[in-house]
Amino acid sequence: AQKITQTQPGMFVQEKEAVTLDCTYDTSDPSYGLFWYKQPSSGEMIFLIYQGSYDQQNATEGRYSLNFQKARKSANLVISASQLGDSAMYFCAMREGLRRSGAGSYQLTFGKGTKLSVIP
Amino acid sequence: KAGVTQTPRYLIKTRGQQVTLSCSPISGHRSVSWYQQTPGQGLQFLFEYFSETQRNKGNFPGRFSGRQFSNSRSEMNVSTLELGDSALYLCASSSSGLSNEKLFFGSGTQLSVL
Repeated sequence: AQKITQTQPGMFVQEKEAVTLDCTYDTSDPSYGLFWYKQPSSGEMIFLIYQGSYDQQNATEGRYSLNFQKARKSANLVISASQLGDSAMYFCAMREGLRRSGAGSYQLTFGKGTKLSVIP
Repeated sequence: KAGVTQTPRYLIKTRGQQVTLSCSPISGHRSVSWYQQTPGQGLQFLFEYFSETQRNKGNFPGRFSGRQFSNSRSEMNVSTLELGDSALYLCASSSSGLSNEKLFFGSGTQLSVL
């Protein structure tokens, strides 16, 4: 089973509108972290936002917020007031085993990504 | 502060050859990890190094290897290249590689195997 599922291969949003990118995850580890990265056509992965499994509040970073629903195992990214520069691939990723050492805690597992296109 | 630097940016090789990719992490970062990105498989973890020690390895054949030097710079090597090795190889660094630390990625090396 996939650990990170992003069901939207591509999405369109009007400039200045808000958009939600979906991400569901699968883990039995109680301690994990969820990340969102943006990848423009240049190739570099840019960190957007982080949510820890024990965090009480949903994470926010400027125009980015994370709608974290632990029971449903979903971590959707919300981008408010979309800009043309937001057009890119967006990846959800998970790191497991945050509170223990061991090989598995050093890697990120990524979803397949969502291509977001912002329309002027 | 300079970001993660990967060289070369583009590389073209033929089947059977070997290739070495280089990654210089952000100054002060001791953890370096490598990812392979392809249209079919997406982003897949290759390996992670910390203080010259490999702490974790992904599910790749032994043709893929890496190392880290005392200055935290890292190299990855792919021997006996196959067509399927064509991919964007991304290097990422962080301070220790643990917990909620975000990874800082380079722009990648685009490898084409002909």
